[in-house]
Amino acid sequence: GAVVSQHPSWVICKSGTSVKIECRSLDFQATTMFWYRQFPKQSLMLMATSNEGSKATYEQGVEKDKFLINHASLTLSTLTVTSAHPEDSSFYICSAHGQGASYEQYFGPGTRLTVT
Amino acid sequence: GQNIDQPTEMTATEGAIVQINCTYQTSGFNGLFWYQQHAGEAPTFLSYNVLDGLEEKGRFSSFLSRSKGYSYLLLKELQMKDSASYLCAVRDQSGSNDYKLSFGAGTTVTVRA
Repeated sequence: GAVVSQHPSWVICKSGTSVKIECRSLDFQATTMFWYRQFPKQSLMLMATSNEGSKATYEQGVEKDKFLINHASLTLSTLTVTSAHPEDSSFYICSAHGQGASYEQYFGPGTRLTVT
Repeated sequence: GQNIDQPTEMTATEGAIVQINCTYQTSGFNGLFWYQQHAGEAPTFLSYNVLDGLEEKGRFSSFLSRSKGYSYLLLKELQMKDSASYLCAVRDQSGSNDYKLSFGAGTTVTVRA
């Protein structure tokens, strides 16, 4: 089956620094990738949709200048949390949608971000 | 947007059956998904319904009624490892939204011995 990886799996950073999270589709080409955020005991909240070669589409309330998304190739999307604050601490999950009529999104294992 | 409602918590005994209901409202329905998520892990795909009716896959079954905006996930022969959060998600195909999913808040199922 399709595999999506994320790196790192967990990261601790200090307030004011930036953190980059990578999402890779390992055995298929992902024309579209999605970035979610999940706070403890809450559901997944879509942050943005990332399309290869074009600008990401952000959901309402998500600051595009704070959460930078780059989808430079069909197998890699990155999310950079800039000037991180403790309230950005969360579980960040990406998913990838393949080409063609496949209905399924394949989720990565998630990245646990803690900002101190 | 979508309003997706599902119960917050359910508890059942090992070997029993549990049904998790999900109701939704959407402008351009293009499929309903059920995912299982264990604490601290990413969701794993369980089922997909786009037409009315029942989809059976081993111990798990999912039902959809598009006219009622209603789905349920049926878990049979419950095992301790089934203790997890179960997420109902609706895919929208209105406009150019790239088949994005909207998730319900999730139902935490606790299986007791």
